[in-house]
Parts: sequence; structure tokens; C-alpha cells
Amino acid sequence: EADIYQTPRYLVIGTGKKITLECSQTMGHDKMYWYQQDPGMELHLIHYSYGVNSTEKGDLSSESTVSRIRTEHFPLTLESARPSHTSQYLCASSVKPQGMTEAFFGQGTRLTVV
Amino acid sequence: QKEVEQNSGPLSVPEGAIASLNCTYSDRVSQSFFWYRQYSGKSPELIMSIYSNGDKEDGRFTAQLNKASQYVSLLIRDSQPSDSATYLCAVIPGAGSYQLTFGKGTKLSVIP
Repeated sequence: EADIYQTPRYLVIGTGKKITLECSQTMGHDKMYWYQQDPGMELHLIHYSYGVNSTEKGDLSSESTVSRIRTEHFPLTLESARPSHTSQYLCASSVKPQGMTEAFFGQGTRLTVV
Repeated sequence: QKEVEQNSGPLSVPEGAIASLNCTYSDRVSQSFFWYRQYSGKSPELIMSIYSNGDKEDGRFTAQLNKASQYVSLLIRDSQPSDSATYLCAVIPGAGSYQLTFGKGTKLSVIP
């Protein structure tokens, strides 16, 4: 069973505000991911991390930044929120049981910028 | 070029029928393949993973992998209305890569 948590679940915030979306997992997974998904649309990888102090940008350009100071924690920050950032943000982590990778998602944060 | 392709659907099947979902991928060295189910407004849920050619069965779900044809499929037997969701195919492309790349998803509707 996956133990990956995202907070907040829902956030409505004004334009120009700085926000941090939290993602934590208690499974000791070394790989973590952030995806962005608009309603009814596909998932886009925006950031990923292979371990502590390792972060990379994904396929979709994003104005957000991430950090990985601890294995269990992978927060995403928007320095100045804009209405175009309105979307669902999904965090995932993966592990390789017996050499095979499996990835699990948190419940997501639905962000609305007004 | 999109690495993972799925028919977006919608795919409609009657209750009790077999639903067949298909996915193709472009990277020949891909080694890990997954099917996720996503209900509207929810996050994706891992339902099947497959790594070797052939079939893998788990309850009503069967994943099929054909690496030569770069094709992976999901069969849902005895489809139920609760199976109505979007099914996402995901691939980890290339040896040494851990990036999980998703297709656009196929929306399945099971009609009572």
C-alpha cells in the first residue's frame, strides 16, 4: 500500500502569491516525481528527483521549482502564482521491488489562482 | 514524437463484456510497463505492471506485453460499471531511466 501524502488537497490563492505544495512519502522511495494535469487532459511530467540533492526538469516547461533535501520530502514552489498555473498537481514516488519499478501517486493538489 | 500512444476513446462496453485497451510505445529498449486507472477528479491508481513478454493476470485484469511489436494491452473481463474510468498506459523508457511517461489515456464506459 502506498503512503504518499500531498498537502493541501485544495488551494485557492491570489495572483502574485508564493506557494509551496507539499509531498511526503514514508516508504523510503528514492525517486519522486511531480506531474501537472488539467481536467480531462494527460499527465505532464514537470519535475523529478532520483534522490537527495538530485532534481531535474521534466518534459513540460514549468515556472515552478523543487527541492529534495530529505528522501521523504519533495516540495514544489511557485514564487509568483498566475492564473495560468491553475491545474492539478500530482506527486508520485517509485521503488524497485526485486528490480522492477512501481510508482504510486498521492491524492493531488488542486490549485486555483484567481 | 509522442512516446506512448493510446486511443483516447471513449470506449463503451456492456456490463459483463470484455474491455480491451491498447497502448503502443516508441522506445524499443523500454523495460517497464504499467496500467493506471484514474477516476474523474482523482489521482491515478496502479492496477497492473508488466515487464516480460506474455500475459500477466490479476483477478479480472490481464496485461499483455509484446516487445517485438512495442505493444501492451489491458483486458478487463466481466466489466462492471465501477470500471468506468480513464485508463493510463505508462512506460519507463530506456535502460537506466526512471522517468515514468504516460499516454493520454483511454476513457472506458461500462454500460449497465
